[in-house]
Amino acid sequence: DAKTTQPTSMDCAEGRAANLPCNHSTISGNEYVYWYRQIHSQGPQYIIHGLKNNETNEMASLIITEDRKSSTLILPHATLRDTAVYYCIVSLYNQGGKLIFGQGTELSVKP
Amino acid sequence: DAGVTQSPTHLIKTRGQQVTLRCSPKSGHDTVSWYQQALGQGPQFIFQYYEEEERQRGNFPDRFSGHQFPNYSSELNVNALLLGDSALYLCASSETGARDHEREQYFGPGTRLTVT
Repeated sequence: DAKTTQPTSMDCAEGRAANLPCNHSTISGNEYVYWYRQIHSQGPQYIIHGLKNNETNEMASLIITEDRKSSTLILPHATLRDTAVYYCIVSLYNQGGKLIFGQGTELSVKP
Repeated sequence: DAGVTQSPTHLIKTRGQQVTLRCSPKSGHDTVSWYQQALGQGPQFIFQYYEEEERQRGNFPDRFSGHQFPNYSSELNVNALLLGDSALYLCASSETGARDHEREQYFGPGTRLTVT
């Protein structure tokens, strides 16, 4: 079973920041938090991952709480093309890292 | 770099038949994982191959088997197809031993299997 809890759906206005929360209260010390997204009928796309520290790349920022029991994915300026299902995954990166997907959050970016 | 490629794109089979799906990993990747995604659900891990051996396996019956070739490409075989096997089958590649900032999996576009 997935070790994360996410809201089923969220809306965001185009151009505004999208903040997607994720709870992972049972995360262990050597497990990473990964975020992937899946645009309709395509394969999942990697966004970002982190262990303890906040991370930023060209797509998004990942904020992990100090106790590591929750995290937030931030898309700083959402566009219509960011409409997708976003998956928060906790994974032990051991020999490749098996990903256990939950239901994800369906993000709708509206004009 | 073509990324992860999968073939065929779509496939229609009859219940009881056998099917083989193929995957070529991203250049430089040596590990291939297979996932099944039923309509409206998140992907479910089937198994993972590294160094031509099955390294991890999810909760799938023995009807699901695979193979990895020396060039790291992989096949997923499903025997005795059931209606419930209809799904999008995704292949993902990664590099075992990658440094922390490179530890992502790249997914292919998937093969849509319909069992009638």
